[in-house]
Amino acid sequence: GQQLNQSPQSMFIQEGEDVSMNCTSSSIFNTWLWYKQDPGEGPVLLIALYKAGELTSNGRLTAQFGITRKDSFLNISASIPSDVGIYFCAGQSSNYQLIWGAGTKLIIKP
Amino acid sequence: DAGVIQSPRHEVTEMGQEVTLRCKPISGHNSLFWYRQTMMRGLELLIYFNNNVPIDDSGMPEDRFSAKMPNASFSTLKIQPSEPRDSAVYFCASSLNSNSPLHFGNGTRLTVT
Repeated sequence: GQQLNQSPQSMFIQEGEDVSMNCTSSSIFNTWLWYKQDPGEGPVLLIALYKAGELTSNGRLTAQFGITRKDSFLNISASIPSDVGIYFCAGQSSNYQLIWGAGTKLIIKP
Repeated sequence: DAGVIQSPRHEVTEMGQEVTLRCKPISGHNSLFWYRQTMMRGLELLIYFNNNVPIDDSGMPEDRFSAKMPNASFSTLKIQPSEPRDSAVYFCASSLNSNSPLHFGNGTRLTVT
């Protein structure tokens, strides 16, 4: 079946650093979604990408839909403490089914 | 917009008891999803409703699990009888249509002892 490889699994960063994470798949997707989950809450949509090659920003966040439609990355610039959490990618083909990455846990070094 | 509302936030019950989780989707959304999240398996889709009709229940673990959507503003997920391995966070999500991004509730953390 379809699978997504999300990396890294976790990241320890200093406040102010830039962050990059990505998802790759052997399958083609029509939509890529990036979500963030804080402890005790549900995933919150950060960015939705609908077109191969699309580059979209949301504040300090930037995400791109890979040209091959099999990958996507998320960058966070100048990280701040509230960026801590788990980031998930999800790919969608032609129907309602989402294929989820395993998540990237972002931790700020004290 | 209040977002997707789930209740209760936490549920602790004994093995064998019936558990009912509730969800109110975002008004105007025609698609509703129930997910389960665990450390081991991540997010798993349990069931998907479109216009109140169950479309895909292939993710429902077994007959102990059932879900209903009697109207566009309410859905329930029931586990009867509950077992310790059902312990997880259960999320409800809704979307404008089947191809739109999902909006999640804050989940129900279920603990079965």
